Amino acid sequence: EAQVTQNPRYLITVTGKKLTVTCSQNMNHEYMSWYRQDPGLGLRQIYYSMNVEVTDKGDVPEGYKVSRKEKRNFPLILESPSPNQTSLYFCASSSTSRTGDYFGPGTRLTVT
Amino acid sequence: GQQVMQIPQYQHVQEGEDFTTYCNSSTTLSNIQWYKQRPGGHPVFLIQLVKSGEVKKQKRLTFQFGEAKKNSSLHITATQTTDVGTYFCAGVPGNKLTFGGGTRVLVKP
Repeated sequence: EAQVTQNPRYLITVTGKKLTVTCSQNMNHEYMSWYRQDPGLGLRQIYYSMNVEVTDKGDVPEGYKVSRKEKRNFPLILESPSPNQTSLYFCASSSTSRTGDYFGPGTRLTVT
Repeated sequence: GQQVMQIPQYQHVQEGEDFTTYCNSSTTLSNIQWYKQRPGGHPVFLIQLVKSGEVKKQKRLTFQFGEAKKNSSLHITATQTTDVGTYFCAGVPGNKLTFGGGTRVLVKP
């Protein structure tokens, strides 16, 4: 079954404690991206990757890091989380033709 | 930067009625995509429009891409309770997807 998986699905953490949200896809997609979703603000892209070792900033990259060492994985790293990073995070993937993104189930992060 | 606006933000619809949601971009798009997100779920891809003036249908849903490739619409006929959710358009000007704020649809039985 074609899917994008994210872990963890829910996370409550404290300010400053480094965390990583993993994302993996089994469709051999070249393109992967991370979004955050906040009430009233819709989906905003954080980072995206066109292929292995190729990443670029989206619209709201501050406070986040990513890496793309393998084609299937695209982890999101928060080196020093802050309360304004409390949000619902989605990972997505698509082929290079960009004919529709497949979204993961989401990770709800709370930073206190 | 590019902006994608959607109106209305909320749509309360009586079951059986039709409604339309609109999407407008500040820049010309190479293509536009539509997604649906059910409450508590993740966005699910519905369709992509590429050509100027293109119209595509999926059962009761009709999608249209404007002639100038800067706007799009989604029309739903005979709304059903299964149509509940938030509908997003997303513009593709290059390598990025820029999402509109979404139209949240509530259906009154």
